[in-house]
Amino acid sequence: NAGVTQTPKFRILKIGQSMTLQCTQDMNHNYMYWYRQDPGMGLKLIYYSVGAGITDKGEVPNGYNVSRSTTEDFPLRLELAAPSQTSVYFCASSPPASGIQGEQYFGPGTRLTVT
Amino acid sequence: GQQVMQIPQYQHVQEGEDFTTYCNSSTTLSNIQWYKQRPGGHPVFLIQLVKSGEVKKQKRLTFQFGEAKKNSSLHITATQTTDVGTYFCAGTGSSNTGKLIFGQGTTLQVKP
Repeated sequence: NAGVTQTPKFRILKIGQSMTLQCTQDMNHNYMYWYRQDPGMGLKLIYYSVGAGITDKGEVPNGYNVSRSTTEDFPLRLELAAPSQTSVYFCASSPPASGIQGEQYFGPGTRLTVT
Repeated sequence: GQQVMQIPQYQHVQEGEDFTTYCNSSTTLSNIQWYKQRPGGHPVFLIQLVKSGEVKKQKRLTFQFGEAKKNSSLHITATQTTDVGTYFCAGTGSSNTGKLIFGQGTTLQVKP
């Protein structure tokens, strides 16, 4: 199993541009999450999903959108990128047996810079 | 809303010394998890504690969950250079519909 994979690894955007961060997991996990990590800070939850077709907002959803059309994929869309969205983005998933409170498996991250 | 605070933010130790990081929540937690993130890497799950007063060990790492389920600690005995990284606690409380709230982490540097 590849686990949780994310693409791209790095990206530089200009202010106002849009992009989609891809996240795929091959562990048949139904719970998936998007976090952002700013320097010296913990992880802030952006959006999460408890299964295909179901998404919900986390702590910091403004400026982002998500979709979950399949169990495997959970893309994060940035519309009208702003410098405040410069961060490292992590996708994570949890197995169905452990529920939303269970241990999370993280992808390698996408380092995004908006200038 | 629920907050999870960790102290200290940074810790430098000599190899062989012990290290402890503390995690405190503003509300009672249903469980607490610990993760390790190596420099440039992603968080990796270490352990989950659920019961009041629970203590779990993983080799040189000892994890505790407070009796009131509002605090936790991670203690590393005789640190090694491989212990370098940032240690995060993350808790789930009843006020946030089960989602994890992460502390800001403690970054450990080990001098050989």
